[in-house]
Amino acid sequence: KQEVTQIPAALSVPEGENLVLNCSFTDSAIYNLQWFRQDPGKGLTSLLLIQSSQREQTSGRLNASLDKSSGRSTLYIAASQPGDSATYLCAVRVRGFNKFYFGSGTKLNVKP
Amino acid sequence: GAVVSQHPSRVICKSGTSVKIECRSLDFQATTMFWYRQFPKQSLMLMATSNEGSKATYEQGVEKDKFLINHASLTLSTLTVTSAHPEDSSFYICSARPTSANTGELFFGEGSRLTVL
Repeated sequence: KQEVTQIPAALSVPEGENLVLNCSFTDSAIYNLQWFRQDPGKGLTSLLLIQSSQREQTSGRLNASLDKSSGRSTLYIAASQPGDSATYLCAVRVRGFNKFYFGSGTKLNVKP
Repeated sequence: GAVVSQHPSRVICKSGTSVKIECRSLDFQATTMFWYRQFPKQSLMLMATSNEGSKATYEQGVEKDKFLINHASLTLSTLTVTSAHPEDSSFYICSARPTSANTGELFFGEGSRLTVL
């Protein structure tokens, strides 16, 4: 069974800092990996999707990387802003299965 | 991006009543939708996979008679919590994957907070 772990569970940084969120998974036979953002009491907003054949994806200040062999993905946020404060979740879809496995998330607080 | 709408966003009901939550894909068709449950400060727990025109696939430990799922069209899936009890109080979130796209990207609704008194 695929297990997805996110470290750290919580992170507090001053505004303007660059930061990295980590996601690790146990089964490297993945179809894709997706990063989401969740604001309190809200649903999930898709940030970046990386296919198994890709190594990274970029959107604005966000950059996500994927290393299947080591079972890791990172989400890099450049020049963090208070509006980036949210919980960030990664989800992995295992090849051959119509199911996504979620990490427990990293709660980010960017202080003004 | 693709939009998934969930309704209602909040619902309060009395113990013993049934509550229906709708999940709609507004600008795409979805053969498959997923229903999740989220407890406070925890991640998402997959409850079931909803398939258009066929029975839902439930995860282990999820009571299919308790949580009725109907995926009647390519844009609508419903979750009915039957004979709700206070322990069913939770945040329920649906997601959908566009049938036409081959990226496999998942889109989520805004969630529905159920409170059972």
